[in-house]
Amino acid sequence: EIVLTQSPGTLSLSPGERATLSCRASQSVSSNYLAWYQQKPGQAPRLLMYAVSTRATGIPDRFSGSGSGTDFTLTISRLEPEDFAMYYCQQYGTSLWTFGQGTKVEIK
Amino acid sequence: DVQLVESGGGLVQPGGSLRLSCAASGFPFSNYSMTWVRQAPGKGLEWISYITRTSYTIYYADSVKGRFIISRDNAKNSLYLQMNSLRDEDTAVYYCVRSIGYWGQGILVTVSS
Repeated sequence: EIVLTQSPGTLSLSPGERATLSCRASQSVSSNYLAWYQQKPGQAPRLLMYAVSTRATGIPDRFSGSGSGTDFTLTISRLEPEDFAMYYCQQYGTSLWTFGQGTKVEIK
Repeated sequence: DVQLVESGGGLVQPGGSLRLSCAASGFPFSNYSMTWVRQAPGKGLEWISYITRTSYTIYYADSVKGRFIISRDNAKNSLYLQMNSLRDEDTAVYYCVRSIGYWGQGILVTVSS
């Protein structure tokens, strides 16, 4: 099982600031099948990025993904009020998906 | 549009059983493998089970193996999760997922006496 570790656990920032979220895998993620989700309370996760750096439909370009192998990053260039939420990374290189424990982006 | 609608959740006592259903529409259900993911209150996401298009291959997380059974009926465009021997720690919102971008709205299962 691939274990994904996200850091930091909580990110306290102000609107307009840049957010950098990290996701580290215990072993190389197959074919860079790494996704990022945003989740708000009471809602299902919303896909932001897949294949490390491809934005899902309708996701604004302030969101970007990078990395390879075992180290991945989600960057939000300028935080908008609606971006304050929980973020999860996920590997889907095997049928047994695994998720990181999440990073909460909160308003400072 | 792809739609996944879960049903069958609710309150059940420890040791009890529950069957979740997921009604799929807006895509050729029989062409896709399907997955169940759950989220305990205030916790992260946990993959729990996967089934291929023809049900030939099935996987379970260790946390539910031997207690939960995933199945599907392609004629009815439906996915199921039979949950037996339920424990307090199975309390969660259960999501039906087609592929990484397509999730149902989730259904709450509460295991409590």
